Amino acid sequence: DTGVSQNPRHKITKRGQNVTFRCDPISEHNRLYWYRQTLGQGPEFLTYFQNEAQLEKSRLLSDRFSAERPKGSFSTLEIQRTEQGDSAMYLCASSNSASGAISSYNEQFFGPGTRLTVL
Amino acid sequence: EDQVTQSPEALRLQEGESSSLNCSYTVSGLRGLFWYRQDPGKGPEFLFTLYSAGEEKEKERLKATLTKKESFLHITAPKPEDSATYLCAVQAPYNAGNNRKLIWGLGTSLAVNP
Repeated sequence: DTGVSQNPRHKITKRGQNVTFRCDPISEHNRLYWYRQTLGQGPEFLTYFQNEAQLEKSRLLSDRFSAERPKGSFSTLEIQRTEQGDSAMYLCASSNSASGAISSYNEQFFGPGTRLTVL
Repeated sequence: EDQVTQSPEALRLQEGESSSLNCSYTVSGLRGLFWYRQDPGKGPEFLFTLYSAGEEKEKERLKATLTKKESFLHITAPKPEDSATYLCAVQAPYNAGNNRKLIWGLGTSLAVNP
C-alpha cells in the first residue's frame, strides 16, 4: 500500500499522560500536514512541514503539542500532559510541491487517522 | 475573513434520486477548491481539484463545478455506497499565516437509502 499510513489507529490514555503518534507519508511527497478533527467539524490545521522544516504551526496549538519530521520522511506528533479536550481524530496528510504555476501541488492525501480518547 | 460554507448540513436521498451539494466561499484570489469524501472513522479521500470558474470534473456518478463564488457537487443516480460526508476546502493566496493551509467547510452528510 503506497498511501499515507498512521499508527496507532486508536489510542486510549488517562489524563496527564503523554502520547505520540506516527505518520508515514506517500514516499515522494515532500509536504506533510497534521490536522485534528472532532465530530461534525472539518479538519483543523495543526502544523505543516516541507521536507524536515516545520514551516507553520497553528496559533491554536498549545505548547503541549510538538511535531517532528527529522529526516523529511515520517513524522511524529506528541501531546504532553493530555487533557480530555484533546480527544479527537488526528489526521496526517501529505502532498507534493511542484514547480511552475497551477498544478496538483496542494492536493493533500490523508491517512486513516489516529483516534485519541483521553479518560 | 476567508470562509467556506457548505449546504445542506445533511441530505437524505433515495437510490437513483439525483441532487447537488453546495460549497460557497469568500476568498479573494482562489488558488484551488478541493472536494473530499469522508467515511465514518476514516480520513478524507480526495475527489477533485478545481482551479478556475467554469471548470468541471467528473468521476463516476460525481461531477464538480466551480463559479466565482461557489462550487457544486452533483450526484447523479446515487447508490447507497455514496453515503458519506462530503467536505469542501479552499486554498487562498499566500500570505503570512495561511501558507499552504486549506480552509475547510463543515461538510454535508449524505445518506442514500436503497
